[in-house]
Amino acid sequence: NAGVTQTPKFQVLKTGQSMTLQCAQDMNHNSMYWYRQDPGMGLRLIYYSASEGTTDKGEVPNGYNVSRLNKREFSLRLESAAPSQTSVYFCASSSSYTAGELFFGEGSRLTVL
Amino acid sequence: GQQVMQIPQYQHVQEGEDFTTYCNSSTTLSNIQWYKQRPGGHPVFLIQLVKSGEVKKQKRLTFQFGEAKKNSSLHITATQTTDVGTYFCAVQYSGTYKYIFGTGTRLKVLA
Repeated sequence: NAGVTQTPKFQVLKTGQSMTLQCAQDMNHNSMYWYRQDPGMGLRLIYYSASEGTTDKGEVPNGYNVSRLNKREFSLRLESAAPSQTSVYFCASSSSYTAGELFFGEGSRLTVL
Repeated sequence: GQQVMQIPQYQHVQEGEDFTTYCNSSTTLSNIQWYKQRPGGHPVFLIQLVKSGEVKKQKRLTFQFGEAKKNSSLHITATQTTDVGTYFCAVQYSGTYKYIFGTGTRLKVLA
């Protein structure tokens, strides 16, 4: 089982460029999440999708958009990248939006110059 | 807003010593989870606590949920070098679907 797959693993952008981080899970999970982790810091929730067809803002949603394309896929888009968005991005999924273990992808390391 | 604090931020211990990290919320929690993240890795689920006063054990790890469901602790007995990493709590509040992570405690074990 692949679990949660994120692409790309590494990306370098220039300020103002746009890009989309892709996330797919093969565990038939209902809920999916996007977190960012800055060096030496904890994880901060950007957006989440409790179930297919719904998305909600987390702690730090500004500068991002998301799409829950189907039950398997949850993408994160940066419309105009800024250096402050340099971070490691983690996608996670869980079977239930209430009391469900989070399964994380390997992470996507993004650098904005 | 809702805040989740973990203490200490860092802890260095000699191998064989015990270690405890605490997670504190200003608001009553629905449930709490604990994760471990190795350097350069992704968070990995350890345990989930749901009931007030709940205590769960996994080998050398003991997890406790406070009676008021506002705090939790993770205790490791006789640390080993394999315990190195950052330990995070992740909380869920009643009526919400999101998991908020604590600030984390970075554990270093000296052999």
